[in-house]
Amino acid sequence: DVKVTQSSRYLVKRTGEKVFLECVQDMDHENMFWYRQDPGLGLRLIYFSYDVKMKEKGDIPEGYSVSREKKERFSLILESASTNQTSMYLCASSRLDSVYYEQYFGPGTRLTVT
Amino acid sequence: SQELEQSPQSLIVQEGKNLTINCTSSKTLYGLYWYKQKYGEGLIFLMMLQKGGEEKSHEKITAKLDEKKQQSSLHITASQPSHAGIYLCGAVLKTSYDKVIFGPGTSLSVIP
Repeated sequence: DVKVTQSSRYLVKRTGEKVFLECVQDMDHENMFWYRQDPGLGLRLIYFSYDVKMKEKGDIPEGYSVSREKKERFSLILESASTNQTSMYLCASSRLDSVYYEQYFGPGTRLTVT
Repeated sequence: SQELEQSPQSLIVQEGKNLTINCTSSKTLYGLYWYKQKYGEGLIFLMMLQKGGEEKSHEKITAKLDEKKQQSSLHITASQPSHAGIYLCGAVLKTSYDKVIFGPGTSLSVIP
């Protein structure tokens, strides 16, 4: 079974704090993705990576950065958290040649910034 | 407006009833995914459709792709409480090959 895990299910941070969200997958997938999910807006892609140390901006990268130092791990960083970054964050992974294959999702991290 | 629209936004049905959820794209579809999300959790892959007219089934859930209409429908037969959750469609669009975009989701409640 493919497994994508995220470091926290729930997180509460203060405005201005630096926040790290970690995602680990165990299927040797090349592609990894970070989305945020908000009511009425669906999932929006923040960043994705198709290889170690490679990253590409998604639709809403502002205010976020990412790090992929190892194949299995993809981190999302909020340099200075703001209240409008309160959201559900979902990580996903998929095979490299696989925009046609399913993305496997983690359980999500619900982040609240106060 | 969003590139992928879903209807209805939410649905409440009695157990045993059939239901249909639609996903419509504003652009030509290259492939379409259906996912289910239990409240507050991650997404579970249901099925993927690639060709116009293609139809797939998984247990009591059937999805069909109408490429000409740029639309997919998800049909649940004899709904059960275990079907409750949020159903999201995702699409590979011909104008962007390197990512999947998602619809806003349809929330389904099944009353016993």
